[in-house]
Amino acid sequence: AQSVAQPEDQVNVAEGNPLTVKCTYSVSGNPYLFWYVQYPNRGLQFLLKYITGDNLVKGSYGFEAEFNKSQTSFHLKKPSALVSDSALYFCAVRDNSGYSTLTFGKGTMLLVSP
Amino acid sequence: GAVVSQHPSWVICKSGTSVKIECRSLDFQATTMFWYRQFPKQSLMLMATSNEGSKATYEQGVEKDKFLINHASLTLSTLTVTSAHPEDSSFYICSARLAGRDSYEQYFGPGTRLTVT
Repeated sequence: AQSVAQPEDQVNVAEGNPLTVKCTYSVSGNPYLFWYVQYPNRGLQFLLKYITGDNLVKGSYGFEAEFNKSQTSFHLKKPSALVSDSALYFCAVRDNSGYSTLTFGKGTMLLVSP
Repeated sequence: GAVVSQHPSWVICKSGTSVKIECRSLDFQATTMFWYRQFPKQSLMLMATSNEGSKATYEQGVEKDKFLINHASLTLSTLTVTSAHPEDSSFYICSARLAGRDSYEQYFGPGTRLTVT
């Protein structure tokens, strides 16, 4: 069975500082990894994905994530946080079997203070 | 591109009535659609996976007779909550995957807030 762990319920960071939202995963075979963001009462917006290739993946709104196979991690990062980045962030994983479903982490609330 | 819509965005109904939620892929064909349920400040729980033209596959613990899913076309899936109860109140989100075995991404609708009184 596949699983995702987001160890932090909430991350607090000051505007302009770098941010990291942690994610580790467990999956059989090669993982497909995703980050999504959710604003209040809205659906999920896709940020970025790792399928294959470079371990550093760049996505929307200046976010990036680094795939680390040995540590089974896919942490989300941004060099300089904005107040508007405050939202709920979900990491998700599926295997590469073609028809598998996404498994989501429990989510991490990011709060960026002015 | 790859936009998924849901209708309605919010609905209030009385206990015992049924509510239908529509999920449409607006600019692509989706052979597979997914229905999720999300409680406040919690993650998404997969309820069922529906493939166009076939019966939905429900996750363990999800009542298939209560949550009826129909995926009649490549651009439309519906979720009907039958005989709704207050505990069915939740945020329901659909998602669609592009047609094709190697499609990686799922695109999510904006969600439907259901309140059962």
